[in-house]
Amino acid sequence: KQEVTQIPAALSVPEGENLVLNCSFTDSAIYNLQWFRQDPGKGLTSLLLIQSSQREQTSGRLNASLDKSSGRSTLYIAASQPGDSATYLCAVKGGGNKLTFGTGTQLKVEL
Amino acid sequence: DADVTQTPRNRITKTGKRIMLECSQTKGHDRMYWYRQDPGLGLRLIYYSFDVKDINKGEISDGYSVSRQAQAKFSLSLESAIPNQTALYFCATSDSASSGDEQFFGPGTRLTVL
Repeated sequence: KQEVTQIPAALSVPEGENLVLNCSFTDSAIYNLQWFRQDPGKGLTSLLLIQSSQREQTSGRLNASLDKSSGRSTLYIAASQPGDSATYLCAVKGGGNKLTFGTGTQLKVEL
Repeated sequence: DADVTQTPRNRITKTGKRIMLECSQTKGHDRMYWYRQDPGLGLRLIYYSFDVKDINKGEISDGYSVSRQAQAKFSLSLESAIPNQTALYFCATSDSASSGDEQFFGPGTRLTVL
């Protein structure tokens, strides 16, 4: 059974800092990996999707990498801003076209 | 904007009551999903549907049922609500023709069962 782990569970950084969020998964037989952002009491916003054949994807200040063989993905946020404060979730798509989610990293960017 | 909407956004009910949560989408996607989110457990898949005539159980389908009334509508029912079904419920959609089958989520329904 696929298990997805995100470390740390919570992170607080000063504004302007570059930061990395980690996601690991136990079964490397995945089709893709998706990073989401969730604001308190709100739904999930898709940030980036990396196909299993890709190594990374970029969108603005966000860069996600995937190392399928080692079961790891990172989300890099450059020049963090208070508006980046949210919970970040990663999810992997495996057999049966189903997503398995991690429990998230709660990020706070302080002024 | 093409979107995923859920009604109601908040609901408080009592044990034993029948509850229906509704999801509709204007994205033109063929696939729809229902998840629940509990603190410390992440999101877990309840049911999913790949087209109007297709319904599949997810990881935690016991106590729930679904109906795919049209391509754009997917409802989740709790036949007899119990307190441990208190959670945040999300509907999601995806397009099987897209590269990656990226999922897009609605705003969620917060359900409290007393």
